[in-house]
Amino acid sequence: NAGVTQTPKFQVLKTGQSMTLQCAQDMNHEYMSWYRQDPGMGLRLIHYSVGAGITDQGEVPNGYNVSRSTTEDFPLRLLSAAPSQTSVYFCASSYKGPTASGEVYEQYFGPGTRLTVT
Amino acid sequence: LAKTTQPISMDSYEGQEVNITCSHNNIATNDYITWYQQFPSQGPRFIIQGYKTKVTNEVASLFIPADRKSSTLSLPRVSLSDTAVYYCLVGDNTSGGSYIPTFGRGTSLIVHP
Repeated sequence: NAGVTQTPKFQVLKTGQSMTLQCAQDMNHEYMSWYRQDPGMGLRLIHYSVGAGITDQGEVPNGYNVSRSTTEDFPLRLLSAAPSQTSVYFCASSYKGPTASGEVYEQYFGPGTRLTVT
Repeated sequence: LAKTTQPISMDSYEGQEVNITCSHNNIATNDYITWYQQFPSQGPRFIIQGYKTKVTNEVASLFIPADRKSSTLSLPRVSLSDTAVYYCLVGDNTSGGSYIPTFGRGTSLIVHP
């Protein structure tokens, strides 16, 4: 299994450009999520999905769109890039999302995409 | 309101036991406590998870007192390769109304020769 893959690894955008960060997993996981990590900071949740066709907002969703048409893929789209979106983006997947009883499943992270917006 | 509080950094030496304590005073009754490890330029990696008392796996131990307001990650006999950032996670409510584990700033552990 390849696990969680992300493309591209590096990207430079100009302000106002749009692009899509790709994320795929081959573990048949229901739950997928996108995080951003700024220098010296922890990870902040952007969007997540509990299954194909279902997405929801995380802590910092503004400026980003997601879709989940298949179980395997969870692309993140930047609508109009801004310098404040310069960050490292991580995609993650887990067997299921957090349960009503509070149990959370191990998340598997991709290698990240380092994005610079000038 | 911060969900978790950890020391920003810690230093240790090879062969020592390292204990990293995380404070989560407002932990919910059904919250689990999860720890992740992150090396530079990599995504986080799951280490251990627990609900109460003690959990041990091949990598670490997790100690959770009865009041569950804190937890301690214990790394036995650390090596240079344990130099990383360690995150303690408990749940948090998202704007969508779901309950999702939240990463704080983590603890940067540096292991010296």
